[in-house]
Parts: sequence; C-alpha cells; structure tokens
Amino acid sequence: AQSVTQLGSHVSVSEGALVLLRCNYSSSVPPYLFWYVQYPNQGLQLLLKYTTGATLVKGINGFEAEFKKSETSFHLTKPSAHMSDAAEYFCAVRSNNDMRFGAGTRLTVKP
Amino acid sequence: EAGVAQSPRYKIIEKRQSVAFWCNPISGHATLYWYQQILGQGPKLLIQFQNNGVVDDSQLPKDRFSAERLKGVDSTLKIQPAKLEDSAVYLCASSLDRAASGGLYNEQFFGPGTRLTVL
Repeated sequence: AQSVTQLGSHVSVSEGALVLLRCNYSSSVPPYLFWYVQYPNQGLQLLLKYTTGATLVKGINGFEAEFKKSETSFHLTKPSAHMSDAAEYFCAVRSNNDMRFGAGTRLTVKP
Repeated sequence: EAGVAQSPRYKIIEKRQSVAFWCNPISGHATLYWYQQILGQGPKLLIQFQNNGVVDDSQLPKDRFSAERLKGVDSTLKIQPAKLEDSAVYLCASSLDRAASGGLYNEQFFGPGTRLTVL
C-alpha cells in the first residue's frame, strides 16, 4: 500500500520568503501525486497535481511542485510567501484508486 | 457551479448517542467519498460510493458506522453509538466518474466538512 510522509508538521516563513514544504511518498506503482490546501473551517482545495508528463507542475496561487521519481519526492514550493498562504497543506498519493494523505504541514507566514 | 454541500457544520453530542451527517455532491458526480479527519492528521477514507454502490469500505468501522447513498445522489453517514475517539471533522468529496476515466484521475472536490465533538 502507498504512504505519504510530510517532513515538518509546522513551517514558519517571513512574508516574501521562499516556501518549501516537503513530501515523500512510497508506492508500488506509478502514482498520482497531489497537494491540497485547507483554510480554517473549510474543506480541502486542490493546489496542483501530477499524473503524467512534465515533472514540474504549476498550480494555483503561485505554487509549484516537482515530481522526482529517484527521490520519491514531491516537494511544494512558492518563491515568495504571502500572508494569505497561511493554512494547512496536505500531500496525497493515489495509486490503484486508493488515495492516502499525509499528516499535513501548517504554514505560518510572519509579517 | 455549486460545490459539495454538507450539513450540519458542527455537532456536539455525548458518547453513546447517535449522529448523522448529510452530503450532497456536485450535480452529475457519480463517485462520492466520506473521509474522517482527526485533529492533527490527514483525511482518512471511510467509504467510497460509485453511484449507489459501495466501492471501498475497508476502513469503515462497521460496528458503529454506516453510510448509504440510496438514489445515487446525496448520502448520509451515521455513527451509532458514538465514542470519544470519533471526535473529528467528517469530509465529503465527489468526483465525476471513476469507471469511465480509463485510469485517469478524476479530481475530488471537497465539502466544508462537519466538525463532530463527542463529550
């Protein structure tokens, strides 16, 4: 069965700084990979996804992620953090129609 | 386009009581999912429906949890009796169609969730 590990339950950055949220996965078959964002008292919203093709994926709100098969990683980045990026971020892996989520990383953005 | 609707948004009950949650997926979405999200954890799939049939309920605690999607549209998740450890946010999601995707991914759209507190 596949699994997801998000390194760091809490990440704090200053406004304008680089955002890097780490995600490693395990899967016995080529996976689909996702990043979701969850704002307080709201459901999950898809930021971006990797299915096939280009390994550098661009999503909404200026986020992007790169699928690195050799490292089994799918880290999420944003060049310049904004206060509105403060939220919980979840990495997820899907293979054989089975979806597994990581434990989440809470991003705090300091003024 | 209306999103996934869930009600109630919040529910507080005492242990051993019963509770039910309702979900109305996006119109035309054949697949419906119920997830349990315990504080500090990622969502965990409880049950997945394809139209009104169950596709996966391997992680549903069937001794106390039940779910139905009788007409292949909206769905109800019930807990009877509730335990303290059932305190969580219950998320409903829907996607267009898994069977017709040919293995391609159909995006899941999530509702706002129901926050359950069991005292």
